[in-house]
Amino acid sequence: SQQGEEDPQALSIQEGENATMNCSYKTSINNLQWYRQNSGRGLVHLILIRSNEREKHSGRLRVTLDTSKKSSSLLITASRAADTASYFCATDASYTGTASKLTFGTGTRLQVTL
Amino acid sequence: DAGVIQSPRHEVTEMGQEVTLRCKPISGHDYLFWYRQTMMRGLELLIYFNNNVPIDDSGMPEDRFSAKMPNASFSTLKIQPSEPRDSAVYFCASIRGGQGYSPLHFGNGTRLTVT
Repeated sequence: SQQGEEDPQALSIQEGENATMNCSYKTSINNLQWYRQNSGRGLVHLILIRSNEREKHSGRLRVTLDTSKKSSSLLITASRAADTASYFCATDASYTGTASKLTFGTGTRLQVTL
Repeated sequence: DAGVIQSPRHEVTEMGQEVTLRCKPISGHDYLFWYRQTMMRGLELLIYFNNNVPIDDSGMPEDRFSAKMPNASFSTLKIQPSEPRDSAVYFCASIRGGQGYSPLHFGNGTRLTVT
């Protein structure tokens, strides 16, 4: 079964608005990663947050992690049409850094309209 | 960096036929992963290799599936015989281990349709 469950499953916003996606997981993790997948393409890594971190920023991305609630959120600020994609959280239970126990969530499909 | 290269991009075959998917990881990456993505089951890890050796194949659904990595720059995933329920997008990904928590680098996938 999926380790990460994301919500919402789909999100439609207008360009310039912020988009927030949530991820919940079940077991303890070492780190949590977010990936983006454009239609017909492979997943692209966006950001990684470690279990001892609470918040991380990268450009227009802000990720939070609450290990007590086993949840994470991805915020995309000032969204653009090019942000239209599916977004996946992935939990890593491995302590070896080899992605051998990386489990992907169900994904949120984001549509940004002009 | 050329990225992870997969071929073919699309494969349409009839039930019972053998299918071979190919992957070239990023040069210098010593871990290679095969994933399958479907609407129903999401992204599932099938098997992964380290230094060309299969480490965990517990995700391989059936004996009809097999994977090999004869050298550091090439891997195959074979389905024989193929069935309609094997229709999915198959992704190959690679990382360089020992670099801390390296992100996965994915290829653009092979979309397999079995009729």
